[in-house]
Amino acid sequence: GAGVSQSPSNKVTEKGKDVELRCDPISGHTALYWYRQSLGQGLEFLIYFQGNSAPDKSGLPSDRFSAERTGGSVSTLTIQRTQQEDSAVYLCASSYNPVANVLTFGAGSRLTVL
Amino acid sequence: QQQVKQSPQSLIVQKGGIPIINCAYENTAFDYFPWYQQFPGKGPALLIAIRPDVSEKKEGRFTISFNKSAKQFSLHIMDSQPGDSATYFCAANEGSYIPTFGRGTSLIVHP
Repeated sequence: GAGVSQSPSNKVTEKGKDVELRCDPISGHTALYWYRQSLGQGLEFLIYFQGNSAPDKSGLPSDRFSAERTGGSVSTLTIQRTQQEDSAVYLCASSYNPVANVLTFGAGSRLTVL
Repeated sequence: QQQVKQSPQSLIVQKGGIPIINCAYENTAFDYFPWYQQFPGKGPALLIAIRPDVSEKKEGRFTISFNKSAKQFSLHIMDSQPGDSATYFCAANEGSYIPTFGRGTSLIVHP
């Protein structure tokens, strides 16, 4: 597609439920990132996929968070047993150029945990 | 550990003013310094970027000033407009590795 597509754009869930957030990166982009942005806050790195390499999971805040990337394209971020502090906008980004690593972000998925 | 320190956290100017956002870094291996602009409800988008071998880059009303010896760089917005109201993030890249972002600056430009 022309840009990074994320779905759903908004998700309201109850505490304790599991949620899945989807990211469809730009075709041909080998790198994919997930970030979390809490209200009025900066960009918190979560996880990074690069080609067929093992993902860098160093930013995942707890073992309730996991992500996968199938076929080097679409990625799903899963949050199990959601907590109220998980409420945030989850941003996905992709990139290609290894020389000037410019990220193209999606519009984000806003998660609200009641 | 915050490797890119961004200031101020928020900034309010009048239309036509010149807001300046500053960033400082420690890692001398950083080799690319992009700025991203984020409007409410949208993801950040690349605004302008600079490499450390130049001291200034200008694109329209946006200018990056880069001081390699001081390990600092800043974004200047000339003749600011209400439409420039957004959150601005500086970043620093080391090759193709995960970019390091500043904490962001919320800019409001009053009409």
